[in-house]
Amino acid sequence: SAVISQKPSRDICQRGTSLTIQCQVDSQVTMMFWYRQQPGQSLTLIATANQGSEATYESGFVIDKFPISRPNLTFSTLTVSNMSPEDSSIYLCSYGWDDGTEAFFGQGTRLTVV
Amino acid sequence: EDKVVQSPLSLVVHEGDTVTLNCSYEVTNFRSLLWYKQEKKAPTFLFMLTSSGIEKKSGRLSSILDKKELFSILNITATQTGDSAVYLCAVVMYGQNFVFGPGTRLSVLP
Repeated sequence: SAVISQKPSRDICQRGTSLTIQCQVDSQVTMMFWYRQQPGQSLTLIATANQGSEATYESGFVIDKFPISRPNLTFSTLTVSNMSPEDSSIYLCSYGWDDGTEAFFGQGTRLTVV
Repeated sequence: EDKVVQSPLSLVVHEGDTVTLNCSYEVTNFRSLLWYKQEKKAPTFLFMLTSSGIEKKSGRLSSILDKKELFSILNITATQTGDSAVYLCAVVMYGQNFVFGPGTRLSVLP
């Protein structure tokens, strides 16, 4: 499996600001995903990061709030824009393979908005 | 609506006990079912199941899938305090959609 690195691991941000989370994989992967895990909740898929095209967002998530970049097959970023305390969550990136096999996760970013 | 249900949501046992965690699902275009262990932030992969009746094993952990009854179980034998975690079940559908269950929070007491 490829090694996936995510940063920052945690941050405390002021409301109204934006934070960009980076996810780096040490080999080329087809599918990259971004998840949110609110306190006490399970993982919710935000979007699929597509290389060379716009991300595919799940219901309830929009590009203006969560812009995503995927400039190549090893890297992606998620920005949480105009943050409010409700955005306080763990954000996770993951990668998967075309054949629907296991997905591996980055270390996660614990975001606190004050 | 695609959904994954896990039970119990919370479980407290003592070291040495055996536990069974349940995952049932209702999804379109099922492809595979995954089990993860989440201790802090990042879930770590345990098993991928695609075929019914074939048990996957890794040490004290094992899992099996029933595609007819649409469920999977994760067994942990001789539990240890290090098994304390949230165990997540996820279903992968064709088109690479992942749906996660709510998780089972397992606490193993010494």
